[in-house]
Amino acid sequence: AAGVIQSPRHLIKEKRETATLKCYPIPRHDTVYWYQQGPGQDPQFLISFYEKMQSDKGSIPDRFSAQQFSDYHSELNMSSLELGDSALYFCASSPGVSGGNSPLHFGNGTRLTVT
Amino acid sequence: QQPVQSPQAVILREGEDAVINCSSSKALYSVHWYRQKHGEAPVFLMILLKGGEQKGHEKISASFNEKKQQSSLYLTASQLSYSGTYFCGTQGDDYKLSFGAGTTVTVRA
Repeated sequence: AAGVIQSPRHLIKEKRETATLKCYPIPRHDTVYWYQQGPGQDPQFLISFYEKMQSDKGSIPDRFSAQQFSDYHSELNMSSLELGDSALYFCASSPGVSGGNSPLHFGNGTRLTVT
Repeated sequence: QQPVQSPQAVILREGEDAVINCSSSKALYSVHWYRQKHGEAPVFLMILLKGGEQKGHEKISASFNEKKQQSSLYLTASQLSYSGTYFCGTQGDDYKLSFGAGTTVTVRA
């Protein structure tokens, strides 16, 4: 079965650089979520999209932005990178707006290292 | 608001049981449970909706007490494959899924 695809798997950037993470949801899933997970920490919700519109916003820094495109894939754009941005970034998708009864299917994540 | 999980960690021998608790300070619409192996993506285990239901999958089951805003995950006759970090995710009326800090389960032979 098709799963959530994230690219790249690993990314190394220097401070103050920019990075773009991509997420391709499971077919027919129209909701995408982004989470940031630091070492030994729980996933922190950043932002979500439903039908190409932002549906919810969490602890996403102003330096980050995201969008969902017409084909439902999503991109997380990160600028002015800081050392503290080093983390595992997960994208998850689900069918329909998060009404509570749809599980989130996670991608394998993008490991971002900022040096 | 982030739910509170307990315990933070538990070590089991194969065949032993464990309970992981998840509580929230806000009214809940649903509770999700996920398991994450080191370096891998969280994997969905089950969802419980308000109404106080209990669900199970083989020897892993969960309950949801809507009034107490609590959920518990039960690991029965644990297997080595149960090792990992278990996260509960809670949704209130805003439907935003917030994860607890996780409970690390180590099952030893």
